[in-house]
Amino acid sequence: ETGVTQSPTHLIKTRGQQVTLRCSSQSGHNTVSWYQQALGQGPQFIFQYYREEENGRGNFPPRFSGLQFPNYSSELNVNALELDDSALYLCASSGTSPGYTFGSGTRLTVV
Amino acid sequence: KQEVTQIPAALSVPEGENLVLNCSFTDSAIYNLQWFRQDPGKGLTSLLLIQSSQREQTSGRLNASLDKSSGRSTLYIAASQPGDSATYLCAVKKGGKLIFGQGTELSVKP
Repeated sequence: ETGVTQSPTHLIKTRGQQVTLRCSSQSGHNTVSWYQQALGQGPQFIFQYYREEENGRGNFPPRFSGLQFPNYSSELNVNALELDDSALYLCASSGTSPGYTFGSGTRLTVV
Repeated sequence: KQEVTQIPAALSVPEGENLVLNCSFTDSAIYNLQWFRQDPGKGLTSLLLIQSSQREQTSGRLNASLDKSSGRSTLYIAASQPGDSATYLCAVKKGGKLIFGQGTELSVKP
C-alpha cells in the first residue's frame, strides 16, 4: 500500500487565478473525496468521485470542480480564487472496507 | 442537518494522565464514526473506526466508544505521553460523506 499522495504540498496564488490540486489514491481504492479545512476548523466536504463520476457534493460553488481518472487519481480545480479559499485541502480515498485514508494535504494561500 | 461537536476545544494535561475526549452528534442515523489525529499543518491519521452496530473499539492505549441513542462518542487515552500532543477530530459518516467536529487540541506536558 502506498497511501494517499497529494501535490503540491504548498501553493501561493493571487486572487482571481485558477489552481489545480492533485491526489493519488491508495491502491485498490476507487472512491476519492476532497475536503477543505480552514484554520482552526474541522474539514468540510467539497465533493466525492466514484469511478470517474461525481456522486456527492457539499455546499461549495461551481467554481470548485473535480476530475477522477481511470487509475482513480483525482484533481481538484478552483477557478476565480478568493481570499477565503485559503485553507488546507485534503484528499481522502476509500474502497470496499469502511473508513477513509487521508493524504497530507495541500496548503493553499491566496493573496 | 447533522452537526458534530467536540468538547473541550483544548486540553492540557501532565504526562501519564488518563484522559477522555468527547464527541456529540445530533442525528443518530450514522453509518460509522471515525476518530482521527492531526499534527499541526498535516493531514489526518485514522485512529479508530466504530461501525454503527458496534459499541467500542480499542487500539493500544486508545479506546473509543459509541452510543448512538444519545449521540455520543468518547475517545479514551490511557497513560498519556508528550507524543500524543495533537488535534483529535471525530467524524460521522452519513450520506456518503464525513461530517467533522472542530477538534480537541491536546497538549501533554512532560
